[in-house]
Amino acid sequence: QKEVEQNSGPLSVPEGAIASLNCTYSDRGSQSFFWYRQYSGKSPELIMSIYSNGDKEDGRFTAQLNKASQYVSLLIRDSQPSDSATYLCAVNTAGNQFYFGTGTSLTVIP
Amino acid sequence: NAGVMQNPRHLVRRRGQEARLRCSPMKGHSHVYWYRQLPEEGLKFMVYLQKENIIDESGMPKERFSAEFPKEGPSILRIQQVVRGDSAAYFCASSTGLAGDNEQFFGPGTRLTVL
Repeated sequence: QKEVEQNSGPLSVPEGAIASLNCTYSDRGSQSFFWYRQYSGKSPELIMSIYSNGDKEDGRFTAQLNKASQYVSLLIRDSQPSDSATYLCAVNTAGNQFYFGTGTSLTVIP
Repeated sequence: NAGVMQNPRHLVRRRGQEARLRCSPMKGHSHVYWYRQLPEEGLKFMVYLQKENIIDESGMPKERFSAEFPKEGPSILRIQQVVRGDSAAYFCASSTGLAGDNEQFFGPGTRLTVL
């Protein structure tokens, strides 16, 4: 079992819709969770971090964490074509190791 | 407000040559991570370093690859006797390493091409 799993997609949503990205992780001792956005040919860019159960909102982005279910998600409201990218979920375990999922490719259709 | 810096941005080597990739972390960050990414694939962890210490090198091949983060200067990822399969994007990330404040920030990457 991989440390971090994501659906590879591709996920397509129309402009203005909500995009929902999901991630599960295996290490129950994990403390910190991150979402990165990566455009083709570019480096990953941190867009959200979340450390405690519940929701965390930042602009059009909402991260949701459920440690009991070992599940973290990212919602993008009012999706824009510029949101089209690969979204990487990352988990920091109790041993301070970072694991990345393989990413979900999102396309927002104008 | 300089972010993570990597150089060179592009590196071309012939098989058998050595590749040296450099990474300067963000100001105030003392933890450095190296990742490799093949086209259309995810990030693969290679090595985690603090100043003068290798913390975790479990993702780094045992042969030909080495990494260091000296007291002064950038972190270096060194690949000896490169082969075509080493062609990839190599990303460096840095963090404070502090619990609750350990976000990683990535540099622009070095694209290595082995001819």
